[in-house]
Amino acid sequence: NAGVMQNPRHLVRRRGQEARLRCSPMKGHSHVYWYRQLPEEGLKFMVYLQKENIIDESGMPKERFSAEFPKEGPSILRIQQVVRGDSAAYFCASSPDQGSKTEAFFGQGTRLTVV
Amino acid sequence: SQQGEEDPQALSIQEGENATMNCSYKTSINNLQWYRQNSGRGLVHLILIRSNEREKHSGRLRVTLDTSKKSSSLLITASRAADTASYFCATVKGGGFKTIFGAGTRLFVKA
Repeated sequence: NAGVMQNPRHLVRRRGQEARLRCSPMKGHSHVYWYRQLPEEGLKFMVYLQKENIIDESGMPKERFSAEFPKEGPSILRIQQVVRGDSAAYFCASSPDQGSKTEAFFGQGTRLTVV
Repeated sequence: SQQGEEDPQALSIQEGENATMNCSYKTSINNLQWYRQNSGRGLVHLILIRSNEREKHSGRLRVTLDTSKKSSSLLITASRAADTASYFCATVKGGGFKTIFGAGTRLFVKA
């Protein structure tokens, strides 16, 4: 059973471009969480999705950021018109249920650099 | 927003010594989890302790939970250089895995 797979591992974008980050949860997991980690800081929750639904997006910036978890395929975190402040590591985690009973499994992250 | 703190922020010890890290939180929880993050890598789950448990062991790891004080501690015994990493605690209130507290504790184990 492969772990949570994120790609790409590293992504470089120029200011104003779009960044698309992908997360394939572990097999059998229908809950996905995205986090952002700035250098030397902890992880900050962005959004929680269950298949085809956004459950909690309270940590997501209102503009330029969006997330989806379609019925088929990976979860996508999209950042439009990137700015230098978007440079960070973005981690995805998945769990088989809401997380109250089990741990979440994290991917290796995507490191976004905006130049 | 972050609701708690981990302390210390950084800890430097000699190989073989024990390392203790603490985590505090503010809301009621269903469980609390500790993760390790090696430099430049993703998070690795270490241990989960439920709100009705007070202590849990896993190998050289010992986690305690005091819900009355809303705090947890992670003890690594007989530390090794390979334990050098950042350690984060995360709590689950229910309805999702929402918050990871603080900037973590950076542990340096000197050989």
